Amino acid sequence: KAGVTQTPRYLIKTRGQQVTLSCSPISGHRSVSWYQQTPGQGLQFLFEYFSETQRNKGNFPGRFSGRQFSNSRSEMNVSTLELGDSALYLCASSLQNPNTEAFFGQGTRLTVV
Amino acid sequence: AQSVTQLGSHVSVSEGALVLLRCNYSSSVPPYLFWYVQYPNQGLQLLLKYTTGATLVKGINGFEAEFKKSETSFHLTKPSAHMSDAAEYFCAVSVANQAGTALIFGKGTTLSVSS
Repeated sequence: KAGVTQTPRYLIKTRGQQVTLSCSPISGHRSVSWYQQTPGQGLQFLFEYFSETQRNKGNFPGRFSGRQFSNSRSEMNVSTLELGDSALYLCASSLQNPNTEAFFGQGTRLTVV
Repeated sequence: AQSVTQLGSHVSVSEGALVLLRCNYSSSVPPYLFWYVQYPNQGLQLLLKYTTGATLVKGINGFEAEFKKSETSFHLTKPSAHMSDAAEYFCAVSVANQAGTALIFGKGTTLSVSS
């Protein structure tokens, strides 16, 4: 059974650009959550999608957005990148919701220069 | 609102010694509690979880944790540390019976194991 796949693994972008990250959940999982991990703030919840609908959202500016497709794959987008957006972005998939068991991908390391 | 506090950002033990990683939570409703482990350049792997029922939870790799409601704690232990246990450990809380709930993580504890 394939795990959660995140692409790309590494990205370098320039301040002001935008970026799109992709997450393919485990087959059959309908919930996809996104987290930002930084040394200073730790792991912070961005948003969660279930059946193409955003169910929950963390405290991040509107530059951070996401979507989920009918096959449960999810993308997150960050517009007008800032240096502080440099982080490891983790995606987690669950059958129904994160209360059960969330399986994490290896993450996308975003560096903004 | 739910929150998690992990006491000690770094813990160092000798191989074969007891591992104790501390976690205290804040929740106004019965919580679901989790411990995750993260190895360098990897995602998070679930070690164990508490939902309801038995308060002593056994997980993978010989880890276990005990839910103590009176102390609002969920400390992680392992009787004998192995070199391969060196990693970062995260305690997390989630609210029961609420669709779309996020995992709220503690700041993490880095475990070092020396020979």
